[in-house]
Amino acid sequence: QSVLTQPPSASGTPGQRVTISCSGSSSNIGSKNVNWYQQLPGTAPKLLIYGNDQRPSGVPDRFSGSRSGTSASLAISGLQSEDEADYYCAAWDDSLNAVVFGGGTKLTVL
Amino acid sequence: QVQLQESGPGLVKPSETLSLTCVVSGGSISGYYWSWIRQPPGKGLEWIGYIYYSGTTTYNPSLKSRVTMSVDTSKNQFSLELSSVTAADTAVYYCARPLRPGFIYGFEHWGQGTLVTVSS
Repeated sequence: QSVLTQPPSASGTPGQRVTISCSGSSSNIGSKNVNWYQQLPGTAPKLLIYGNDQRPSGVPDRFSGSRSGTSASLAISGLQSEDEADYYCAAWDDSLNAVVFGGGTKLTVL
Repeated sequence: QVQLQESGPGLVKPSETLSLTCVVSGGSISGYYWSWIRQPPGKGLEWIGYIYYSGTTTYNPSLKSRVTMSVDTSKNQFSLELSSVTAADTAVYYCARPLRPGFIYGFEHWGQGTLVTVSS
């Protein structure tokens, strides 16, 4: 069982806006920055969002992140077929003194 | 552009020690926290721990008793040892570097990953 909780699956049609949630606690999301990763099949994860809502260079602005209390969300607008992937949230946990990941959300583009 | 490359045996026997090395090219190992992350087949990501370029380490509590990390700044590489392995340690192992110096996570740079299978 993961420290951060994500829905196992999400779906949307091309052009749609989809959000993926990540729920934690005061020892992680509630007080530490959240990252989001995209993992295409057979490849290493790619950093999409850091610092809750910051995009690394090269990440399209269709991807956005937010944090409120002990939860965070990743939003993908203008959904494209190539967005079909697994998405993971991550944060530092002060109680565990460790980086913790969500269990991952498999996004299907219908 | 920074590149990370993991290397090590792809097959380890139960109860033995898994050993991997990550070579960093295109940038210095200095100033950064370097992490190991693993992913069992078909499952999610698990952070194993980090080593700072100076040698300071922090390990995931769930693996702490079995993990040792080391760094060799002269060779621009760092290593992972995981002892007393079982089938549950079968996974793709990644080395990773955060976006900026001083960041512990926010992993922008990843190795390609190496599959380690624990089996007799």
